[in-house]
Amino acid sequence: DAKTTQPPSMDCAEGRAANLPCNHSTISGNEYVYWYRQIHSQGPQYIIHGLKNNETNEMASLIITEDRKSSTLILPHATLRDTAVYYCIVRATLNTGTASKLTFGTGTRLQVTL
Amino acid sequence: DTGVSQDPRHKITKRGQNVTFRCDPISEHNRLYWYRQTLGQGPEFLTYFQNEAQLEKSRLLSDRFSAERPKGSFSTLEIQRTEQGDSAMYLCASSPRTSGVTDTQYFGPGTRLTVL
Repeated sequence: DAKTTQPPSMDCAEGRAANLPCNHSTISGNEYVYWYRQIHSQGPQYIIHGLKNNETNEMASLIITEDRKSSTLILPHATLRDTAVYYCIVRATLNTGTASKLTFGTGTRLQVTL
Repeated sequence: DTGVSQDPRHKITKRGQNVTFRCDPISEHNRLYWYRQTLGQGPEFLTYFQNEAQLEKSRLLSDRFSAERPKGSFSTLEIQRTEQGDSAMYLCASSPRTSGVTDTQYFGPGTRLTVL
């Protein structure tokens, strides 16, 4: 799976949008971009994933650049409960013959403040 | 809504003892994954089941580790002769059957193991 690069930490004021960047310059055509987050001492929580097009769900929006070499996770109105470590993961499709396991890096620690 | 459950949530053991953890996936999820997470690091893949078949094992899974999923439902992870380096959070995830090219893994709360 392609390696991802994320800033180690970011701060965001409550109520503002949090924009978390991720570089994945070696991503290949059959690899998806996944985002998970992990609140302290809990299991990782799925947020969103995408292949080429931008995606939005009730939690966040995912913006993938046209060349797919980077992406941004957007939390539109961050709250204190969004304080967590956010992981950007590039993952092969299931038909590659592997488990398509998730390969986590060290993520971005987002601190939402009052 | 019943998510992935893991038992116990915390386990303290002495070096050299055997421990076993249980994971109950979301109902009808046919894929089950085990990960390990040490302090300050992201989770690392250990092994993967599709139904009852163990299809992939990481090099992290030494001979002291064994995982089973006998009826394709719950899974157990056993560590024999525990070492202090085994202290970590052990996470289980499951994903549903899919005809597509990708799926989504849902994680349990984890079992935190401390080896004294």
